[in-house]
Amino acid sequence: DAGVTQSPTHLIKTRGQHVTLRCSPISGHKSVSWYQQVLGQGPQFIFQYYEKEERGRGNFPDRFSARQFPNYSSELNVNALLLGDSALYLCASSLADRPYGYTFGSGTRLTVV
Amino acid sequence: DAKTTQPTSMDCAEGRAANLPCNHSTISGNEYVYWYRQIHSQGPQYIIHGLKNNETNEMASLIITEDRKSSTLILPHATLRDTAVYYCIVIQGAQKLVFGQGTRLTINP
Repeated sequence: DAGVTQSPTHLIKTRGQHVTLRCSPISGHKSVSWYQQVLGQGPQFIFQYYEKEERGRGNFPDRFSARQFPNYSSELNVNALLLGDSALYLCASSLADRPYGYTFGSGTRLTVV
Repeated sequence: DAKTTQPTSMDCAEGRAANLPCNHSTISGNEYVYWYRQIHSQGPQYIIHGLKNNETNEMASLIITEDRKSSTLILPHATLRDTAVYYCIVIQGAQKLVFGQGTRLTINP
């Protein structure tokens, strides 16, 4: 049984570029959430999608956007990358729009140079 | 805006019970206590959650005080693979998970 799949696992981008990160939830899970984890800190909430609708947004600039597709997979897009966007980006899926039993992927390590 | 207080780090001997405390003195009646852990280089892993009764599953036990202002996560027989950062999170309903700094638990051989 496949878990939450994130791609790519590692990525290096230059300041000013944009990036798209992808997440495939566990089969049957309709909710996907995105978190950013800067080195040495706990994950910070970015977005939650449930049934293709945005259900929550964290305190992140408009450079961050996301969407959920009919198959419940999701993309996180970040425009005009800054050095401070370097982090581990985590995707979590769950059956409903509640945090019970969230399953996290292993994340995408983004480095902005 | 984390609502919990946890020790920064703890040590425990392999095979012993690891007891991780969490203070959540401002918890409201409909807020749940969740515990997650994050092993190095992996995403957080759900452990257990509870409202007011003590809970147990195959991974751990959660003891919530009667006034609900604190709780303890118990790993009954800690192994080296339990070395991780443990997060105590208080949330209501469909709210997002808010991770604090957590407790870095080291299991020593």
